[in-house]
Amino acid sequence: EAEVAQSPRYKITEKSQAVAFWCDPISGHATLYWYRQILGQGPELLVQFQDESVVDDSQLPKDRFSAERLKGVDSTLKIQPAELGDSAMYLCASSQMGQGLQETQYFGPGTRLLVL
Amino acid sequence: SQQGEEDPQALSIQEGENATMNCSYKTSINNLQWYRQNSGRGLVHLILIRSNEREKHSGRLRVTLDTSKKSSSLLITASRAADTASYFCAVAGNQFYFGTGTSLTVIP
Repeated sequence: EAEVAQSPRYKITEKSQAVAFWCDPISGHATLYWYRQILGQGPELLVQFQDESVVDDSQLPKDRFSAERLKGVDSTLKIQPAELGDSAMYLCASSQMGQGLQETQYFGPGTRLLVL
Repeated sequence: SQQGEEDPQALSIQEGENATMNCSYKTSINNLQWYRQNSGRGLVHLILIRSNEREKHSGRLRVTLDTSKKSSSLLITASRAADTASYFCAVAGNQFYFGTGTSLTVIP
């Protein structure tokens, strides 16, 4: 069964350092999402791509976060500089039909970030 | 900020019992989805119910939707230890957001 791949699974960094997360969606899925999930809470959408274009990045802290999906396939989320409050699980998801948030999303295993 | 509220926040039951968790939301919706998350893992889609549907079944899962009350419930029947996880509703309308989650523990 096809899965969403994410790497790394765990990342420990010091504040003010740069970190990057990678996501490879299920083949053929046009829509890709990045979420942040703080422990004990539900995921919060950071950015949504349709192919290579950003559809929604209204909740992305643009002063320090950036996301790209250059060829409309895999995607990278970067944080620079990292802050203590960025410690969270970063989840990537994809969906197939191009109807965005109205459809079923398939999630990767996530990257657990700890900022010291 | 999250606009979906789930209750209870935590639920502990014996294996074989039924588990019910509720989701309330504030906006109009196109559909409402339920997801499961095992500890430290990604989310797995369970079921989607559209705004014109009132009830939907999938195996041991039953979901109801009351758009007049802006609420949904997820019932897991004959629970198993493997059902231990966090359960999130996700509201899809003009906005999309996850609820706060219910942590379910099924005791063998």
